[in-house]
Amino acid sequence: DTAVSQTPKYLVTQMGNDKSIKCEQNLGHDTMYWYKQDSKKFLKIMFSYNNKELIINETVPNRFSPKSPDKAHLNLHINSLELGDSAVYFCASSQDLVGEQFFGPGTRLTVL
Amino acid sequence: AQRVTQPEKLLSVFKGAPVELKCNYSYSGSPELFWYVQYSRQRLQLLLRHISRESIKGFTADLNKGETSFHLKKPFAQEEDSAMYYCALGVYAGNMLTFGGGTRLMVKP
Repeated sequence: DTAVSQTPKYLVTQMGNDKSIKCEQNLGHDTMYWYKQDSKKFLKIMFSYNNKELIINETVPNRFSPKSPDKAHLNLHINSLELGDSAVYFCASSQDLVGEQFFGPGTRLTVL
Repeated sequence: AQRVTQPEKLLSVFKGAPVELKCNYSYSGSPELFWYVQYSRQRLQLLLRHISRESIKGFTADLNKGETSFHLKKPFAQEEDSAMYYCALGVYAGNMLTFGGGTRLMVKP
C-alpha cells in the first residue's frame, strides 16, 4: 500500500531535453507539493497545489511547471533541462493546507 | 523570508547518551515548526510538530520564541535513532515547508 508514489525512480537525460516526473497519492488528500533536494541535501519547496490553486516558490524557474490531471496526481514537467537541475525531487501530499505532509520516495534526476 | 538553520551536519553519540539536534529559525510571522526524519532507505516522514506537544520515540522539542529555536532532544539515544533529521518551518500560505540543511545522527554501540 504505497501512499505517495513517484515514477521514475531514476532519470538520466541530456541538457536541453524536456522531461516529466509523475506523482500519485492514494490517501485522498487535497494538497500536493514538489520539493527539490540538491547535492548538499538541502530540501526546497517548489510548489504547493490545493484545489486547483497553485502556489509557486518565487525562486523556481518557469521551465518547471506542475500539472494536475486530477486530485490524486501532480506531475512535474521540466523544459530545457540544465545541469543545475540535477537533484532528487520529492513529491508530498497532505490532507489540507495545515496537515502533516507525506512524502514520496524521490526521483533522482541526472542531467548530463 | 523565512529561514531554518541546523548548524551541525553530523552528530555522533554513543548509545545511551543524551542527544540534542539544534534548529534555529527566522520568520516574521507565527511559526509552525516540525521535525522530519529519514531513516536509511526509507522516505522522509514526520517525527513531531510543536503544536502537538507530544513525545515520539522518546524525542521531544520545545519551541523557544525568544531564542527562535526548536531543538530536538532525547535523553538516551538508541542505535535505531541513527538517521537524517530535518527541522522545518511551515507557513500558512500553501502550507509550504522551509527545511533546514539536515543533521545526520549516528548512534554508535
